[in-house]
Amino acid sequence: DAKTTQPTSMDCAEGRAANLPCNHSTISGNEYVYWYRQIHSQGPQYIIHGLKNNETNEMASLIITEDRKSSTLILPHATLRDTAVYYCIANQAGTALIFGKGTTLSVSS
Amino acid sequence: SQTIHQWPATLVQPVGSPLSLECTVEGTSNPNLYWYRQAAGRGLQLLFYSVGIGQISSEVPQNLSASRPQDRQFILSSKKLLLSDSGFYLCAWKGDRFSEKLFFGSGTQLSVL
Repeated sequence: DAKTTQPTSMDCAEGRAANLPCNHSTISGNEYVYWYRQIHSQGPQYIIHGLKNNETNEMASLIITEDRKSSTLILPHATLRDTAVYYCIANQAGTALIFGKGTTLSVSS
Repeated sequence: SQTIHQWPATLVQPVGSPLSLECTVEGTSNPNLYWYRQAAGRGLQLLFYSVGIGQISSEVPQNLSASRPQDRQFILSSKKLLLSDSGFYLCAWKGDRFSEKLFFGSGTQLSVL
């Protein structure tokens, strides 16, 4: 699986959009980009995934660049409950997910 | 609807004692099942995964083993715990055949003293 690079930490004001970047410059054509988050002392929670096209669901939007070398997870209106570690994973279908260190997002009022 | 059960929530065990953590999934059949571990201040480490009864793949050599005696049951075991086995153990199942959308249990916090 392709290696991903994320900032160690980010801050966001409550009510503002949180934009979490992820670099995956060595991603191969059949690898998807997955995003999970982990709130302290809980199991990770699936957020969204995509291959080439931008994706949106009730939790977030995923923007993947045309060359697929990077992506951005967007939480449109961050709340205090969005404070968590966010993991970006590039993964080939049928292989187990390997989690990195992720980005610690702190949302403050 | 599908649910995943993992127990116990917390466990304190002495070094050298055995371990058995159980995970069960309801509402689905033949799920892929996973065991992950998170040591204090570190990321999630994949320990084992299973695509069916009796089929176990180990990702890292260690003091632990896994078994899948029934379709929706996944067990993590150790004969003799080490201090380094301490951590947050998470079971997960795969919710979609065509993606890696995993659903995680609530985890077991294991402290080996």
